[in-house]
Amino acid sequence: AQSVTQPDIHITVSEGASLELRCNYSYGATPYLFWYVQSPGQGLQLLLKYFSGDTLVQGIKGFEAEFKRSQSSFNLRKPSVHWSDAAEYFCALRTGANNLFFGTGTRLTVIP
Amino acid sequence: GAVVSQHPSRVICKSGTSVKIECRSLDFQATTMFWYRQFPKQSLMLMATSNEGSKATYEQGVEKDKFLINHASLTLSTLTVTSAHPEDSSFYICSAPRGGSSYEQYFGPGTRLTVT
Repeated sequence: AQSVTQPDIHITVSEGASLELRCNYSYGATPYLFWYVQSPGQGLQLLLKYFSGDTLVQGIKGFEAEFKRSQSSFNLRKPSVHWSDAAEYFCALRTGANNLFFGTGTRLTVIP
Repeated sequence: GAVVSQHPSRVICKSGTSVKIECRSLDFQATTMFWYRQFPKQSLMLMATSNEGSKATYEQGVEKDKFLINHASLTLSTLTVTSAHPEDSSFYICSAPRGGSSYEQYFGPGTRLTVT
């Protein structure tokens, strides 16, 4: 069975500091992995995705993620956080015909 | 970019009544749409896959007679919560994949259902 684990429920960082959100997955086939951001009143927005190829994936808003097969991880990073990055972040694994299996999410708080 | 809308964004209903939630793909056609449920401070759980022109596919544990799904056109799927109870109160989100192999889903803004 598949699983997606986001170990950190809530993270607080200072504006301008670097950020890393952790995601670990378990899946018996080639993983297709995604990071989404959810802001209040808005739909989930895709930040980036990994299907194959280069293990370092660049996304929107200055985010990047690195796929590490040996560690079953797909951590999201940003070198300098902005106050507007405060939101809920979800890691997701594609299973079956376009089904997405989501992690429990990490809430990011940015302090000035 | 692709946009998926949901209506209403928020609804309050009395226990025992039915509520319909619409999901529309505004600038693309979607033969498949997905319905998710999100409890407070929890993840999104897939409820069902809506298929245009055929029956929806429900995930294990989801009551198909309670959560009626109709995918009447290539741009519209509806979720009807029948005989709603307070435990049905939740955030319902739909999504639609766009493009053949892009595997990218576009999500609606969600509908907050409160059953009193």
